[in-house]
Amino acid sequence: QSALTQPASVSGSPGQSITISCTGTSSDVGSYNLVSWYQQHPGKAPKLMIYEGSKRPSGVSNRFSGSKSGNTASLTISGLQAEDEADYYCCSYAGSSTYVVFGGGTKLTVL
Amino acid sequence: EVQLVESGGGLVQPGGSLRLSCAASGFTFSSYEMNWVRQAPGKGLEWVSYISSSGSTIYYADSVKGRFTISRDNAKNSLYLQMNSLRAEDTAVYYCAREYQLLSYDYWGQGTLVTVSS
Repeated sequence: QSALTQPASVSGSPGQSITISCTGTSSDVGSYNLVSWYQQHPGKAPKLMIYEGSKRPSGVSNRFSGSKSGNTASLTISGLQAEDEADYYCCSYAGSSTYVVFGGGTKLTVL
Repeated sequence: EVQLVESGGGLVQPGGSLRLSCAASGFTFSSYEMNWVRQAPGKGLEWVSYISSSGSTIYYADSVKGRFTISRDNAKNSLYLQMNSLRAEDTAVYYCAREYQLLSYDYWGQGTLVTVSS
């Protein structure tokens, strides 16, 4: 059981928008603005898409955005494209004891 | 170009040991915090360990504490993970990852597979 809860799967049609949720607790997501999101295609290493909750690294499309409300962080992908089909993972700082926790991952299918 | 190349994975019996290495290039290794993250076959990502740029601060996941040791050699631009008392549940692809801003990982290696089985 992962420390952060994500839906197992989401789907959308090209051009649509989807949102992936990442629910934690007041000990991790709720207490720190240190959620990051990763995209992973099959057989590949993860790729950083969002850091510090809502910031995009250089080179990441502005179709990807992050937000947080309470203990839940969210990744929104607008204007879905076929190449967005991948697994997505959230990650959060969880204090000096646990340090870092990942979500269980969400498989995005572009219909 | 930033590159992280892991090596040292393989098949090991339960209770055995293995040492993973991660060779870094294309950036000033000594300026960056580094991490190990693993992924069991068909499963999600699991953070394993962190080491500060100087090596003075280290953290471990509870699942590996007391069995794994992270270290680095800044003169050799290398990161290591010594894994002892290996268990079947340690079977995974192990990635080394550079820490970008606070607790995010911008560059990852290709991973090295560790299989613990008799």
